Amino acid sequence: AQSVAQPEDQVNVAEGNPLTVKCTYSVSGNPYLFWYVQYPNRGLQFLLKYITGDNLVKGSYGFEAEFNKSQTSFHLKKPSALVSDSALYFCAVRGLYNFNKFYFGSGTKLNVKP
Amino acid sequence: NAGVTQTPKFRILKIGQSMTLQCAQDMNHNYMYWYRQDPGMGLKLIYYSVGAGITDKGEVPNGYNVSRSTTEDFPLRLELAAPSQTSVYFCASSSPGPRLGEQFFGPGTRLTVL
Repeated sequence: AQSVAQPEDQVNVAEGNPLTVKCTYSVSGNPYLFWYVQYPNRGLQFLLKYITGDNLVKGSYGFEAEFNKSQTSFHLKKPSALVSDSALYFCAVRGLYNFNKFYFGSGTKLNVKP
Repeated sequence: NAGVTQTPKFRILKIGQSMTLQCAQDMNHNYMYWYRQDPGMGLKLIYYSVGAGITDKGEVPNGYNVSRSTTEDFPLRLELAAPSQTSVYFCASSSPGPRLGEQFFGPGTRLTVL
């Protein structure tokens, strides 16, 4: 079965500090992995994706994610957090047997404090 | 471009009632999706469509129906509403090929079944 897990319900970080939001995946082969952000009362917004190639993927708003095959992880990172980064973050994976299906994690709430 | 639009924004239904959640996109995307978002559960795929006239079930299709008569519209029908269908519903769209998976989400419909 294909799935992603986000082990932290909430991450707290001070403004200006680096942030990491964790995601691990469970799918064989080469996964297609995604990060989305959701601001309050809004739909999700695409941040970045990993398909193949460089393990470090850069995306919108200064976010990047590191794909680690040996640890089956795809953690979202940002060198310096902003208060405006406070939101709900979702990791997702494309289906292995059906490329048209996508499986989302449970979400991690990021709180950036001034 | 309006992107992905959803109506209504909020709705309260009584058990056993039916309703249709509307979704439209103006980006000429072939792929459209319906998700439900429950607290702490992430997003679950209800139905998806890869083009007009083609739909398929996602993870949680029971109690729902869809149709796709045009590229732009992808309505979700709830028959015999049940309290378990209380959720926030998101419609999304994407284009095929290399940008598959980069989904554009609507603002959501918050549905309460009492």
